[in-house]
Amino acid sequence: GAVVSQHPSWVICKSGTSVKIECRSLDFQATTMFWYRQFPKQSLMLMATSNEGSKATYEQGVEKDKFLINHASLTLSTLTVTSAHPEDSSFYICSARDRIGELFFGEGSRLTVL
Amino acid sequence: DAKTTQPPSMDCAEGRAANLPCNHSTISGNEYVYWYRQIHSQGPQYIIHGLKNNETNEMASLIITEDRKSSTLILPHATLRDTAVYYCIVRVERGGANNLFFGTGTRLTVIP
Repeated sequence: GAVVSQHPSWVICKSGTSVKIECRSLDFQATTMFWYRQFPKQSLMLMATSNEGSKATYEQGVEKDKFLINHASLTLSTLTVTSAHPEDSSFYICSARDRIGELFFGEGSRLTVL
Repeated sequence: DAKTTQPPSMDCAEGRAANLPCNHSTISGNEYVYWYRQIHSQGPQYIIHGLKNNETNEMASLIITEDRKSSTLILPHATLRDTAVYYCIVRVERGGANNLFFGTGTRLTVIP
């Protein structure tokens, strides 16, 4: 089946630094990728939708200047958490939509901000 | 996409069938019922989906009521590795709303 890979799977950083998380579709072209955030014992919450070659669409309450999303190719989207703070510590998950509309999820990336 | 209602948690003895219910009373005619599960600290994993007929694959069976307002996911012989949060989602297949709306899901604990 289709595979979506996230990197890194976990990262620890100091407060105030920026962290980049990559989401790659390994064996298909993803016209759309989605970024979710999940806090402990809570469900996945959609942060933004990114379409290749265009600006991401952010959900209400998600700061676009803090969570930078780039989808420069059909197989790669990146999420950069800028000036990270402890409250940004979370599990970040991406999903990718192939040309016929099926959705595939990455393994998730756990961010811990000290 | 229609919203769903699931019990927050369930226990199941190892080796027994796990039956996870889901209510989706506002489902539209062209919306499918999808099931995903999320094992701790991993991304969601697709399990099965269906429109109105019962479906079975190597992981599970999906039973959808005739009025399509509810469904049940059946894991025929639960193992410890089936302990996870199970999400029931309704959406238009391969189109419509692009993202999936995740409710709170059911936390299934398989007990030895």
